[in-house]
Amino acid sequence: AQKITQTQPGMFVQEKEAVTLDCTYDTSDPSYGLFWYKQPSSGEMIFLIYQGSYDQQNATEGRYSLNFQKARKSANLVISASQLGDSAMYFCAMREDLNYNQGGKLIFGQGTELSVKP
Amino acid sequence: DGGITQSPKYLFRKEGQNVTLSCEQNLNHDAMYWYRQDPGQGLRLIYYSQIVNDFQKGDIAEGYSVSREKKESFPLTVTSAQKNPTAFYLCASSPGLAMETQYFGPGTRLLVL
Repeated sequence: AQKITQTQPGMFVQEKEAVTLDCTYDTSDPSYGLFWYKQPSSGEMIFLIYQGSYDQQNATEGRYSLNFQKARKSANLVISASQLGDSAMYFCAMREDLNYNQGGKLIFGQGTELSVKP
Repeated sequence: DGGITQSPKYLFRKEGQNVTLSCEQNLNHDAMYWYRQDPGQGLRLIYYSQIVNDFQKGDIAEGYSVSREKKESFPLTVTSAQKNPTAFYLCASSPGLAMETQYFGPGTRLLVL
C-alpha cells in the first residue's frame, strides 16, 4: 500500500491566487514527521515546510502553510499568492519514528506538477 | 556559504563500467543519504550513513556501494552490477537521525551510453 499519496499529477493556478496541493499518508506509527519539498526543473529538492505529528498547530513558513488533519491523515500544502517562480514539482514526504533503524528515511509521494499562469 | 555540493552534474557510463558520484557537505551534519529518482517518480533511499566509517543499506542498495571516511564526504559508486543505472541521484544530509529536516544537493544525472 502507498504510504504517501498525491492524487493530483498536475495543477494549474493563476498568478496571485492561492492553491492547495493534496497529500494523504498512511502510518501506524504515532510519531512521524511530514515534509513538503519543491523541485524546480533544475532538479534540486528545496525544503519548504515541516509538520510533526504531535504539533498542535498547523505549520506556516511565509507563503506556505500546511493544513494538517491528523484524523483524516492528510497534510495538504497551501501556497498563497502564487508567483511564476512557484512553477515546479512538489513532493510530500514522511519520516516515521519506526524507521529510526533505517536511518529515518524519507518516504516520498509521486509528486504534483504545479504550473502558475500569468 | 553552507550547503551540499554534488559533482558532476551529468555523468555518462559505459557498459561494465563503475562510476563514482561525489557528495560533499559543509553543514557539519552527522547523517548523509543517497536517493535515486526515476522519471515521474518520488525518491527512493539507496544508502545512508549516521556517522563516519558507518553506513547502512536503504531500500534499493543492490548494485551500489558507498564509503564514509570523512564527515563531509559520502561518495556513491554505481557498479556494473546495477543493470538500470539511468536516473537522477540526489545526496542529502541532516544533523542527525531524529526528525530533523534533510537538505539536498543539486543532484547528478547519470546516463548510460
